[in-house]
Amino acid sequence: AQKVTQAQTEISVVEKEDVTLDCVYETRDTTYYLFWYKQPPSGELVFLIRRNSFDEQNEISGRYSWNFQKSTSSFNFTITASQVVDSAVYFCAFFQAAGNKLTFGGGTRVLVKP
Amino acid sequence: DAGVTQSPTHLIKTRGQQVTLRCSPKSGHDTVSWYQQALGQGPQFIFQYYEEEERQRGNFPDRFSGHQFPNYSSELNVNALLLGDSALYLCASSLGEGEQFFGPGTRLTVL
Repeated sequence: AQKVTQAQTEISVVEKEDVTLDCVYETRDTTYYLFWYKQPPSGELVFLIRRNSFDEQNEISGRYSWNFQKSTSSFNFTITASQVVDSAVYFCAFFQAAGNKLTFGGGTRVLVKP
Repeated sequence: DAGVTQSPTHLIKTRGQQVTLRCSPKSGHDTVSWYQQALGQGPQFIFQYYEEEERQRGNFPDRFSGHQFPNYSSELNVNALLLGDSALYLCASSLGEGEQFFGPGTRLTVL
């Protein structure tokens, strides 16, 4: 069975600081996708990024960047120059292509103070 | 293009009652998945419907049941409510096994 672990339960930073969220997953699958979602207080899950298991290229999209390392089963996510609007709970999720369901980590609450 | 919609937004029930939650998928999507998110936790997969049949199920008791209609909309039913069923219930739609788009959720409180 798949498992996703987000060891950080809460992170507090001051605006403009960088924030890195850790995610470690367990699977025996070779084909899968990894996601990061943001959940603001309103409750709706907002899609941020997705990587497939065959693409370990790390990229930057605006203020978001990610570091996917298959060798260590980690998929870390960084927000550069954080803003107050970034305050939310962030979830890492694993998608098993064959199972067609998402397995979520426990979430990391990010609080950005002005 | 409307996204995934859910109703009601909030719901309060008492123990032992039954509840029905509704979800309309994003236009063009044919698959609906339901997730339960308890306070302070990540969402947990309940089940998934495709072509009006339950295709997959997570580790939830039979008190949780669902239905998908010909227009792809879906209902989640929970019988004999327990206090522990209090949670945010999220619906996600997709086209087959494609990316899942989430609705705003229904917050259920069981007293």
